[in-house]
Amino acid sequence: GAVVSQHPSRVICKSGTSVKIECRSLDFQATTMFWYRQFPKQSLMLMATSNEGSKATYEQGVEKDKFLINHASLTLSTLTVTSAHPEDSSFYICSARALGTSGDTDTQYFGPGTRLTVL
Amino acid sequence: GNSVTQMEGPVTLSEEAFLTINCTYTATGYPSLFWYVQYPGEGLQLLLKATKADDKGSNKGFEATYRKETTSFHLEKGSVQVSDSAVYFCALIHSGGYQKVTFGTGTKLQVIP
Repeated sequence: GAVVSQHPSRVICKSGTSVKIECRSLDFQATTMFWYRQFPKQSLMLMATSNEGSKATYEQGVEKDKFLINHASLTLSTLTVTSAHPEDSSFYICSARALGTSGDTDTQYFGPGTRLTVL
Repeated sequence: GNSVTQMEGPVTLSEEAFLTINCTYTATGYPSLFWYVQYPGEGLQLLLKATKADDKGSNKGFEATYRKETTSFHLEKGSVQVSDSAVYFCALIHSGGYQKVTFGTGTKLQVIP
Protein backbone atom coordinates (compact mmCIF):
# COMPACT_ATOMS: atom_id res chain seq x y z
CA GLY A 1 0.00 0.00 0.00
CA ALA A 2 0.93 3.65 -0.24
CA VAL A 3 3.26 4.80 2.51
CA VAL A 4 3.88 8.32 3.70
CA SER A 5 6.68 9.07 6.13
CA GLN A 6 7.36 12.09 8.29
CA HIS A 7 10.58 13.20 9.89
CA PRO A 8 11.19 13.85 12.68
CA SER A 9 8.53 12.03 14.66
CA ARG A 10 9.17 14.21 17.69
CA VAL A 11 10.98 17.49 18.12
CA ILE A 12 11.53 19.73 21.10
CA CYS A 13 12.87 23.20 20.48
CA LYS A 14 13.37 26.50 22.21
CA SER A 15 11.09 29.44 21.63
CA GLY A 16 12.25 31.57 18.70
CA THR A 17 13.91 28.80 16.73
CA SER A 18 12.70 27.34 13.43
CA VAL A 19 11.76 23.72 12.89
CA LYS A 20 11.52 21.86 9.60
CA ILE A 21 9.27 18.83 9.18
CA GLU A 22 9.60 16.58 6.14
CA CYS A 23 6.82 14.60 4.51
CA ARG A 24 7.71 11.94 1.95
CA SER A 25 5.65 9.62 -0.20
CA LEU A 26 7.77 6.47 -0.27
CA ASP A 27 6.28 4.33 -3.01
CA PHE A 28 4.20 6.69 -5.10
CA GLN A 29 4.34 10.15 -6.59
CA ALA A 30 2.17 12.78 -5.00
CA THR A 31 0.92 15.75 -6.99
CA THR A 32 -0.62 17.23 -3.92
CA MET A 33 0.30 17.08 -0.27
CA PHE A 34 -1.66 18.46 2.62
CA TRP A 35 -0.57 19.69 6.02
CA TYR A 36 -2.80 19.34 9.06
CA ARG A 37 -2.58 20.33 12.65
CA GLN A 38 -4.27 18.38 15.41
CA PHE A 39 -4.89 19.67 18.90
CA PRO A 40 -5.33 17.20 21.77
CA LYS A 41 -8.56 15.21 21.52
CA GLN A 42 -9.67 17.14 18.45
CA SER A 43 -10.04 16.52 14.77
CA LEU A 44 -7.56 17.52 12.13
CA MET A 45 -7.42 21.09 10.93
CA LEU A 46 -6.22 21.61 7.38
CA MET A 47 -3.48 24.22 7.30
CA ALA A 48 -2.47 24.27 3.66
CA THR A 49 -2.43 22.43 0.37
CA SER A 50 0.90 21.99 -1.35
CA ASN A 51 1.26 21.33 -5.07
CA GLU A 52 4.57 20.30 -6.56
CA GLY A 53 6.37 23.24 -8.14
CA SER A 54 3.90 25.90 -7.11
CA LYS A 55 3.04 27.99 -4.09
CA ALA A 56 1.03 26.44 -1.31
CA THR A 57 -2.58 27.40 -0.75
CA TYR A 58 -3.20 28.30 2.88
CA GLU A 59 -6.46 27.99 4.74
CA GLN A 60 -8.03 31.04 6.26
CA GLY A 61 -6.38 32.05 9.50
CA VAL A 62 -3.11 30.22 8.84
CA GLU A 63 -0.09 32.52 8.69
CA LYS A 64 1.84 31.78 5.52
CA ASP A 65 4.93 33.58 6.78
CA LYS A 66 4.99 31.50 9.91
CA PHE A 67 4.30 28.13 8.34
CA LEU A 68 6.47 27.91 5.25
CA ILE A 69 5.66 25.08 2.88
CA ASN A 70 7.87 23.85 0.07
CA HIS A 71 6.90 21.05 -2.30
CA ALA A 72 10.17 20.57 -4.13
CA SER A 73 9.45 17.24 -5.79
CA LEU A 74 6.69 14.72 -6.37
CA THR A 75 7.75 12.83 -3.25
CA LEU A 76 8.73 15.53 -0.77
CA SER A 77 7.03 18.43 0.95
CA THR A 78 8.42 20.34 3.91
CA LEU A 79 6.75 22.46 6.56
CA THR A 80 8.92 24.95 8.39
CA VAL A 81 7.59 26.51 11.56
CA THR A 82 9.46 29.78 11.80
CA SER A 83 10.22 31.52 15.09
CA ALA A 84 8.28 28.88 16.96
CA HIS A 85 6.45 29.74 20.16
CA PRO A 86 4.81 27.53 22.79
CA GLU A 87 1.39 28.03 21.19
CA ASP A 88 2.75 26.32 18.06
CA SER A 89 3.17 23.12 20.04
CA SER A 90 0.95 20.56 18.37
CA PHE A 91 0.76 17.36 16.38
CA TYR A 92 1.41 18.04 12.69
CA ILE A 93 0.28 15.49 10.13
CA CYS A 94 0.81 15.45 6.40
CA SER A 95 -1.06 13.55 3.74
CA ALA A 96 -0.39 12.85 0.10
CA ARG A 97 -2.60 12.18 -2.89
CA ALA A 98 -1.39 9.75 -5.54
CA LEU A 99 -0.63 10.88 -9.08
CA GLY A 100 -2.41 9.57 -12.17
CA THR A 101 -3.30 5.92 -12.51
CA SER A 102 -0.41 4.51 -10.54
CA GLY A 103 -2.48 4.50 -7.41
CA ASP A 104 -5.80 5.42 -6.01
CA THR A 105 -6.14 9.10 -6.85
CA ASP A 106 -9.21 9.56 -4.71
CA THR A 107 -7.54 8.61 -1.45
CA GLN A 108 -5.20 10.52 0.75
CA TYR A 109 -2.54 8.65 2.65
CA PHE A 110 -1.42 10.08 5.94
CA GLY A 111 1.97 10.26 7.56
CA PRO A 112 2.50 9.15 11.15
CA GLY A 113 2.65 12.71 12.43
CA THR A 114 5.25 14.93 14.10
CA ARG A 115 4.89 15.98 17.71
CA LEU A 116 6.30 19.50 18.12
CA THR A 117 6.95 20.87 21.60
CA VAL A 118 8.17 24.44 21.92
CA LEU A 119 9.63 25.33 25.30
CA GLY B 1 -20.23 23.50 1.98
CA ASN B 2 -19.32 19.94 2.83
CA SER B 3 -19.66 18.62 6.36
CA VAL B 4 -19.40 15.34 8.25
CA THR B 5 -21.20 14.59 11.49
CA GLN B 6 -20.16 11.74 13.74
CA MET B 7 -21.67 10.44 16.91
CA GLU B 8 -20.16 11.84 20.05
CA GLY B 9 -17.81 9.67 22.01
CA PRO B 10 -16.30 8.15 23.90
CA VAL B 11 -17.83 4.79 23.16
CA THR B 12 -17.00 2.08 25.68
CA LEU B 13 -17.70 -1.54 24.80
CA SER B 14 -16.83 -4.90 26.20
CA GLU B 15 -14.71 -7.23 24.11
CA GLU B 16 -16.73 -9.12 21.47
CA ALA B 17 -19.56 -6.56 21.54
CA PHE B 18 -21.12 -5.19 18.36
CA LEU B 19 -19.92 -1.77 17.27
CA THR B 20 -21.74 0.95 15.37
CA ILE B 21 -20.36 4.45 14.92
CA ASN B 22 -22.78 6.68 13.08
CA CYS B 23 -21.65 9.08 10.38
CA THR B 24 -23.74 11.32 8.17
CA TYR B 25 -22.57 13.81 5.61
CA THR B 26 -23.64 16.85 3.65
CA ALA B 27 -22.11 17.38 0.25
CA THR B 28 -23.03 18.28 -3.29
CA GLY B 29 -22.54 15.70 -5.98
CA TYR B 30 -20.94 12.35 -5.29
CA PRO B 31 -18.12 12.44 -2.76
CA SER B 32 -15.94 9.50 -1.81
CA LEU B 33 -16.34 8.42 1.81
CA PHE B 34 -13.70 7.14 4.18
CA TRP B 35 -13.09 5.86 7.65
CA TYR B 36 -9.68 6.55 9.14
CA VAL B 37 -8.38 5.19 12.45
CA GLN B 38 -5.88 6.86 14.74
CA TYR B 39 -4.15 4.87 17.44
CA PRO B 40 -2.70 6.76 20.42
CA GLY B 41 0.27 8.90 19.47
CA GLU B 42 0.11 7.96 15.80
CA GLY B 43 -1.07 9.41 12.52
CA LEU B 44 -4.17 8.38 10.62
CA GLN B 45 -4.50 5.05 8.86
CA LEU B 46 -7.02 4.43 6.14
CA LEU B 47 -9.45 1.81 7.40
CA LEU B 48 -11.90 1.55 4.52
CA LYS B 49 -13.50 3.56 1.76
CA ALA B 50 -16.40 3.66 -0.66
CA THR B 51 -16.53 5.74 -3.79
CA LYS B 52 -20.13 5.45 -4.96
CA ALA B 53 -23.62 4.81 -3.71
CA ASP B 54 -24.30 1.31 -2.34
CA ASP B 55 -20.59 0.46 -2.27
CA LYS B 56 -19.50 -1.37 0.85
CA GLY B 57 -16.04 -0.81 2.19
CA SER B 58 -14.56 -3.45 4.46
CA ASN B 59 -11.30 -4.15 6.23
CA LYS B 60 -10.19 -6.02 9.38
CA GLY B 61 -13.78 -6.97 10.17
CA PHE B 62 -15.04 -3.40 9.87
CA GLU B 63 -17.69 -2.50 7.30
CA ALA B 64 -19.46 0.62 6.10
CA THR B 65 -21.99 1.08 3.30
CA TYR B 66 -22.35 4.26 1.26
CA ARG B 67 -26.03 5.17 1.59
CA LYS B 68 -26.89 8.10 -0.61
CA GLU B 69 -30.57 8.12 0.28
CA THR B 70 -29.77 8.68 3.95
CA THR B 71 -26.40 10.40 3.34
CA SER B 72 -24.79 8.02 5.79
CA PHE B 73 -21.68 5.88 6.08
CA HIS B 74 -22.00 4.12 9.44
CA LEU B 75 -19.07 2.03 10.65
CA GLU B 76 -19.83 -1.44 12.02
CA LYS B 77 -17.95 -4.39 13.42
CA GLY B 78 -19.51 -7.57 14.68
CA SER B 79 -17.07 -8.34 17.49
CA VAL B 80 -14.64 -5.73 18.75
CA GLN B 81 -11.29 -6.48 20.32
CA VAL B 82 -9.22 -4.55 22.84
CA SER B 83 -6.80 -3.76 20.02
CA ASP B 84 -9.58 -1.83 18.23
CA SER B 85 -9.39 0.88 20.87
CA ALA B 86 -8.61 4.07 18.95
CA VAL B 87 -10.18 7.22 17.56
CA TYR B 88 -12.20 6.75 14.38
CA PHE B 89 -12.69 9.57 11.87
CA CYS B 90 -15.32 9.64 9.16
CA ALA B 91 -14.30 11.75 6.18
CA LEU B 92 -15.27 12.70 2.68
CA ILE B 93 -13.37 13.86 -0.35
CA HIS B 94 -15.01 15.57 -3.24
CA SER B 95 -13.67 13.97 -6.38
CA GLY B 96 -11.69 16.16 -8.69
CA GLY B 97 -10.71 19.75 -8.18
CA TYR B 98 -9.40 20.71 -4.80
CA GLN B 99 -9.45 17.29 -3.13
CA LYS B 100 -9.81 18.79 0.33
CA VAL B 101 -10.73 16.26 2.99
CA THR B 102 -13.62 17.08 5.28
CA PHE B 103 -13.31 15.23 8.60
CA GLY B 104 -15.80 14.47 11.28
CA THR B 105 -14.82 15.28 14.83
CA GLY B 106 -13.69 11.74 15.59
CA THR B 107 -15.16 9.13 17.91
CA LYS B 108 -13.03 7.55 20.58
CA LEU B 109 -13.63 3.84 21.06
CA GLN B 110 -12.48 2.07 24.19
CA VAL B 111 -12.83 -1.70 24.35
CA ILE B 112 -12.47 -3.28 27.76
CA PRO B 113 -11.61 -6.95 28.37
